[in-house]
Amino acid sequence: GAGVSQSPSNKVTEKGKDVELRCDPISGHTALYWYRQSLGQGLEFLIYFQGNSAPDKSGLPSDRFSAERTGGSVSTLTIQRTQQEDSAVYLCASSLALGSVAGELFFGEGSRLTVL
Amino acid sequence: AQSVTQPDIHITVSEGASLELRCNYSYGATPYLFWYVQSPGQGLQLLLKYFSGDTLVQGIKGFEAEFKRSQSSFNLRKPSVHWSDAAEYFCAVGALSNAGKSTFGDGTTLTVKP
Repeated sequence: GAGVSQSPSNKVTEKGKDVELRCDPISGHTALYWYRQSLGQGLEFLIYFQGNSAPDKSGLPSDRFSAERTGGSVSTLTIQRTQQEDSAVYLCASSLALGSVAGELFFGEGSRLTVL
Repeated sequence: AQSVTQPDIHITVSEGASLELRCNYSYGATPYLFWYVQSPGQGLQLLLKYFSGDTLVQGIKGFEAEFKRSQSSFNLRKPSVHWSDAAEYFCAVGALSNAGKSTFGDGTTLTVKP
C-alpha cells in the first residue's frame, strides 16, 4: 500500500495474555518507530529501527515489551503478560532517512489495545 | 532533558475565526520543532517543521508557526479556521539527526463551532 499499515486496528485482551502488533512501513523507508499514546497524553517513544543497525530500545517501559523488524521491513511489537496500564493506542511511523537527517515521519492509524 | 508544554488542553473557536495554539519547549541545543495534526481515528500528519532560517514557517492546510527563541515558543496559527480543522494538535521538539525520537506535548484538542 501507499501508506504505513498497522494491524490489528483494535485488540481486546485479558490481563496476562501476550499480544503482537504489526507494522508494515512505506516501501523503501529505512527508519521505523513505535510510539504509545495513552488517553489524553502525547506520544511516548518506544523503539527505533534504522536500517541494519541495532535498534534503539531506550523508550521501552519494561522487559515485557519487545520489537523486531524482519528483513528491514515489517515490524512486530510484542507485549508479554499484558497489564491494564498497557491499554493505549500503539502508533508506528516510518521515514526515509537522508544521511544524518531524518525525513518526514509518516504515521499509521494505530492499533488500539484494551487490556481487561 | 527536552520537554514540550502545550498549555491549552482544549480550545473552541468559531468557523472563520483566527486560531493560535501555544507551544513552549525546553531543549539544550538548537531545536528541531514540529506540529502534527491527528484527526479522529487517524495517525498523525506533519503540518510543518522548523530547524533554521526564517522563523516564520508555512505548512500545509494554511497553517503557519513562528519560532521565538527568546520565549522558547513555537506557536501555531491559522487566520481563518475551517470546520475540517477540528482535530488534536501536537507540538514536538527533537534532534535533527533523529526526528522520530522527538518529545511530544500532550496535545491540544480543537473544536470548531459552526
